[in-house]
Amino acid sequence: DTEVTQTPKHLVMGMTNKKSLKCEQHMGHRAMYWYKQKAKKPPELMFVYSYEKLSINESVPSRFSPECPNSSLLNLHLHALQPEDSALYLCASSQVSRGPNEKLFFGSGTQLSVL
Amino acid sequence: AQSVTQPDIHITVSEGASLELRCNYSYGATPYLFWYVQSPGQGLQLLLKYFSGDTLVQGIKGFEAEFKRSQSSFNLRKPSVHWSDAAEYFCAVGAINTNAGKSTFGDGTTLTVKP
Repeated sequence: DTEVTQTPKHLVMGMTNKKSLKCEQHMGHRAMYWYKQKAKKPPELMFVYSYEKLSINESVPSRFSPECPNSSLLNLHLHALQPEDSALYLCASSQVSRGPNEKLFFGSGTQLSVL
Repeated sequence: AQSVTQPDIHITVSEGASLELRCNYSYGATPYLFWYVQSPGQGLQLLLKYFSGDTLVQGIKGFEAEFKRSQSSFNLRKPSVHWSDAAEYFCAVGAINTNAGKSTFGDGTTLTVKP
């Protein structure tokens, strides 16, 4: 199994809603990542978890709250988002996050629209 | 800090024709270089990567790329394009001793394949 599964595929939420994005992998990877991708732009790194601990936060606003309950699961909790947060949210995993040569496996993403 | 330039925003080729996508990087040391492909509504998939060794790298789906240090380039090639190759292509560069998720992506090249 070389898949990273993201749910839901599409999400529409209001600015006062609370929602969560979910990402799951069963490859035994110990590093997981959240990226944000605007249309026609490259992905931007948001968070990195290594061995279930947050290792990188790229100065992401607190309305985005990541969580890694176990080595297979990564969540992104959303609260009080703004319309400019509408984007494709991608999850990725790698065996570890030691260096740039690690191969990243990406999920298909959650297309988020904030109204 | 490293940077990547993909000079071509959009390229159109006929099915069966050859393809070359350009990538220029800026980095003071030997870079880690990657090409990713993203089909509409999908995550990114690694096509190939280079760090050392043979400067001509073979990847998946019949793609290859050549590292040219003197030109700071890592161009992607395919001898005969298939309609299924239509997608967004991202070149990325990673720096030594940085996290796998912190590779810098170019802005991407959109490939359209004419029948």
